[in-house]
Amino acid sequence: GESVGLHLPTLSVQEGDNSIINCAYSNSASDYFIWYKQESGKGPQFIIDIRSNMDKRQGQRVTVLLNKTVKHLSLQIAATQPGDSAVYFCAENIANSGYSTLTFGKGTMLLVSP
Amino acid sequence: GAVVSQHPSRVICKSGTSVKIECRSLDFQATTMFWYRQFPKQSLMLMATSNEGSKATYEQGVEKDKFLINHASLTLSTLTVTSAHPEDSSFYICSARDPTGQETQYFGPGTRLLVL
Repeated sequence: GESVGLHLPTLSVQEGDNSIINCAYSNSASDYFIWYKQESGKGPQFIIDIRSNMDKRQGQRVTVLLNKTVKHLSLQIAATQPGDSAVYFCAENIANSGYSTLTFGKGTMLLVSP
Repeated sequence: GAVVSQHPSRVICKSGTSVKIECRSLDFQATTMFWYRQFPKQSLMLMATSNEGSKATYEQGVEKDKFLINHASLTLSTLTVTSAHPEDSSFYICSARDPTGQETQYFGPGTRLLVL
């Protein structure tokens, strides 16, 4: 049988639609969150970030929303374009004693049809 | 954002050989770099934190003698996969922390390793 780990959640949208990608994080002590975009065969590319003392941050065509009560993060992409097709990862910054690391979510594949 | 490069982008080697992957921060100094591993259609898993001038910090379950990390300068960290086996085949990605001190990490383009 197939491993669950090989199936990425997929969001399929039409060009011009708005896309919303969701992420649940695990650590209530996380103080900083980042969304990354990863195209096939490439490294992750920074999109937008947000600190835990904020609940919304806007960039160019992208908005990140943070709901600390339910430990939920979302990425909204306005007027989605075919070039937005990629896998999107949320990452939470967790501070350990003296240093901090990023923990990545499982990822969501966004497919944009023309 | 800050630019990070990796070399090589792709490598094929025979089982039992060692492979070195370089990660460089371009135009900025990185006291801390990170090495990740990514299997197909899966997320990035942190392997280790590379600290300039000191020993790397390895994540639980990552063999430090298998994955040797050297961060000898402020712009270069290397990962050596020793005695590689087919199960080591993966996509290895490095990152460097934002030079302004923020927690943001900027990633290299990745290195595809195939062990035959």
